[in-house]
Amino acid sequence: EAAVTQSPRSKVAVTGGKVTLSCHQTNNHDYMYWYRQDTGHGLRLIHYSYVADSTEKGDIPDGYKASRPSQENFSLILELASLSQTAVYFCASSDVRVNTEVFFGKGTRLTVV
Amino acid sequence: GQQVQQSPASLVLQEGENAELQCNFSTSLNSMQWFYQRPEGSLVSLFYNPSGTKQSGRLTSTTVIKERRSSLHISSSQITDSGTYLCAMELWNYAQGLTFGLGTRVSVFP
Repeated sequence: EAAVTQSPRSKVAVTGGKVTLSCHQTNNHDYMYWYRQDTGHGLRLIHYSYVADSTEKGDIPDGYKASRPSQENFSLILELASLSQTAVYFCASSDVRVNTEVFFGKGTRLTVV
Repeated sequence: GQQVQQSPASLVLQEGENAELQCNFSTSLNSMQWFYQRPEGSLVSLFYNPSGTKQSGRLTSTTVIKERRSSLHISSSQITDSGTYLCAMELWNYAQGLTFGLGTRVSVFP
């Protein structure tokens, strides 16, 4: 099974501060994704990437940047964290050359105070 | 509106009972997945099920892509089945990732 590792697993950030969430996958998947989960909204796609050094906007990209420096690593960056960005964030990957099954990391609980 | 509708929103079971969870999609889709979200929050992939029926232990997933629906059957429920079950669809442009429903929260009591 695909291994997707997120760090940190939880974080408390100050409003206006910079936050970086990291994701690492070890299965040579081409696609990587960042989702956030909020009560009442389910999981929503923030950014995704299908190749290193390139990222694409998902459904809710405002207030977030993404970076994919290598095939294995995908980061989510909050330049100016806000209270509304308190949520659980999930990283995921898939290998569309095989099929489109998506594998998720364990999530990062971010609290902005 | 919600593109992925899950029902029921919550379910309470006595240990040993069976359950059927439904997922309906408002648009054409390429494939779908079922996930289990543990009470502590992590996601576990249960089924990747473009079409047809798949079984894993006490869980059975049946998807009819043309009818835009999928179901997850839990047989002989156990306390450890408690958690939230999420279904998600993939559009024909798979690059856009998955679109999730809001989930069915299952609680199993002895």
